[in-house]
Parts: sequence; structure tokens; C-alpha cells
Amino acid sequence: DQQVKQNSPSLSVQEGRISILNCDYTNSMFDYFLWYKKYPAEGPTFLISISSIKDKNEDGRFTVFLNKSAKHLSLHIVPSQPGDSAVYFCAASGETSGSRLTFGEGTQLTVNP
Amino acid sequence: EAGVAQSPRYKIIEKRQSVAFWCNPISGHATLYWYQQILGQGPKLLIQFQNNGVVDDSQLPKDRFSAERLKGVDSTLKIQPAKLEDSAVYLCASSLKTGWGTQYFGPGTRLTVL
Repeated sequence: DQQVKQNSPSLSVQEGRISILNCDYTNSMFDYFLWYKKYPAEGPTFLISISSIKDKNEDGRFTVFLNKSAKHLSLHIVPSQPGDSAVYFCAASGETSGSRLTFGEGTQLTVNP
Repeated sequence: EAGVAQSPRYKIIEKRQSVAFWCNPISGHATLYWYQQILGQGPKLLIQFQNNGVVDDSQLPKDRFSAERLKGVDSTLKIQPAKLEDSAVYLCASSLKTGWGTQYFGPGTRLTVL
């Protein structure tokens, strides 16, 4: 039962262009969503989050959009930089699951110079 | 501020052997989590502690996995006996509080079961 799904295992973009990573969820009880970035041999690092009362949250080059009716969120990185190359995980939590995070499978982003 | 520390970083064992992982969370963080990340998948929560009490262990295979958090600080996760399918990265995370508090992850322990 995959409640959080990232359908694209990989994404390749040119430096300076926009990267768009997508995530879908099925559990309507999820009300808080996060993106984590992971470099090889390191643990995931928190990037940005959004609660269900918002539809957009922005932090520098990173913006997360939430479409609750579609149960879909996306992470936009503008402009993309080679240092952004990493695996990006979408995660969700809800009141009924406490602070348990349910993660997607991850998307490998490669930003080419 | 020191991050979440984990050891060992790598471990190779034979199936049916036992193994233990150690985690030291960020100072002052009351909540500690153990995740299992199998190759190609996202991390999956195994157990969550609030101080030294268990909050959520619903996804912990209790017949072979155990965890403790003595004195509400360090934690150990044990597998006894290990199976081939336990090969994964075991991640420890901590947060200041439960709920929407950001979770900070350690580097993980990569376990290979032969």
C-alpha cells in the first residue's frame, strides 16, 4: 500500500533551468508534507515543508505547491544548480499518524552544467 | 550544533547472526526515530521514542527486531537473527518534539546480510 508515490525515478535538467519534482498521495488524512534531499552516504536533509492550509510555500530557490483536490504536490527548483543533484524524497504525515512520516520512493535529480 | 551520530557506518554479517546499531540524537531532542531504507525505496519508520518511552512501533518486526532508548538519550536497534531481506540502510533521526517538528537524520548504517 504505497500511500506516497513519486512516479519519476529520475530527472535530468540543465543548469539554470527549472526542475519540477512531483509527488502524489492517496491518504486524505495527510495534512503536512515535506521534501527531503539526500546525497550519497548521507542521511536525508530537510528542505521545505507545507501544511494543508496552504497551497504554496517558498524558500529561496525552492517552492512547494500543494493541490489537495488532486492529492498532488510538486517541488520547483529555480534556477537549478549542479549542487542540487541528489535524491529528493517527498514525505507526508497526518494527525492520525502522529509524527510518523510516510516517504515516497525518491527521485534522482541530475543537474548538468 | 552536532548532528545525529550513528555507528557503525557499515556492517556485513551472515544470515542468522545478530547485529546492533547505535544512535546518539541531537542534544535536547526528545523524539528519536529509527527508519529502514531498502534500496530503491523511501525510508520506512520502524520505531519512534518520546524520551525513553515507545510512541509507535507498529511497523517493527518484533520477532527479530528490538530497540531501546535508555535514559531518553542514546538508542540501540538490534536484529536477532538477521535475514537476507534485512539488508538495508538503517537511519536514525531526532526531533525537538513530536507532531510537525522537523526530523534531522543521521548518516545511516548500511547493513549487508549474506
